[in-house]
Amino acid sequence: EAQVTQNPRYLITVTGKKLTVTCSQNMNHEYMSWYRQDPGLGLRQIYYSMNVEVTDKGDVPEGYKVSRKEKRNFPLILESPSPNQTSLYFCASSPGTTRSYTFGSGTRLTVV
Amino acid sequence: KQEVTQIPAALSVPEGENLVLNCSFTDSAIYNLQWFRQDPGKGLTSLLLIQSSQREQTSGRLNASLDKSSGRSTLYIAASQPGDSATYLCAVTVPGGGNKLTFGTGTQLKVEL
Repeated sequence: EAQVTQNPRYLITVTGKKLTVTCSQNMNHEYMSWYRQDPGLGLRQIYYSMNVEVTDKGDVPEGYKVSRKEKRNFPLILESPSPNQTSLYFCASSPGTTRSYTFGSGTRLTVV
Repeated sequence: KQEVTQIPAALSVPEGENLVLNCSFTDSAIYNLQWFRQDPGKGLTSLLLIQSSQREQTSGRLNASLDKSSGRSTLYIAASQPGDSATYLCAVTVPGGGNKLTFGTGTQLKVEL
């Protein structure tokens, strides 16, 4: 089944403890992105990647890192999480600019 | 800066009614517009994708239209059912920014028995 898989689905952590949210797609898509969803603000892009080893900042990149060492994987790294990073995170992939996006099921992160 | 607005923010209709959800965007320089459905606690499911050169797309009871020059799209749902209850999001893909989606804040739809 074609899908984007995120792990974990739920995560509660403490301020400053490094964490990684994994994202993997099995559709050989070129484009991958991370979004966060917050009430009243909608979905905003954090980082994106157009191919292996090609990544760039989105609208809200502060406090996040990403890497794209393999085409299928695009992990999101929070080096020192803070409470304002409490949010619902989505990974998404697409084969190109004129094609639709496929989203993962989301990761609900709480930083206390 | 591209901004996407969805009106209304919430909508409640009786089962069987036809309904229209609205989406507007400020910059007509888009690649395409996509409608998504989001169920509580779940991810986003793509419903329809309209390329910038197209006027509409249909899938089952859903029909989406695009008027790029006026910056508007509508999602028409025919014969609504309780299972259609969800939040509906529209998003445009803009040049640059790695095929970035710019989202509206959604319309929360409730279809009542």
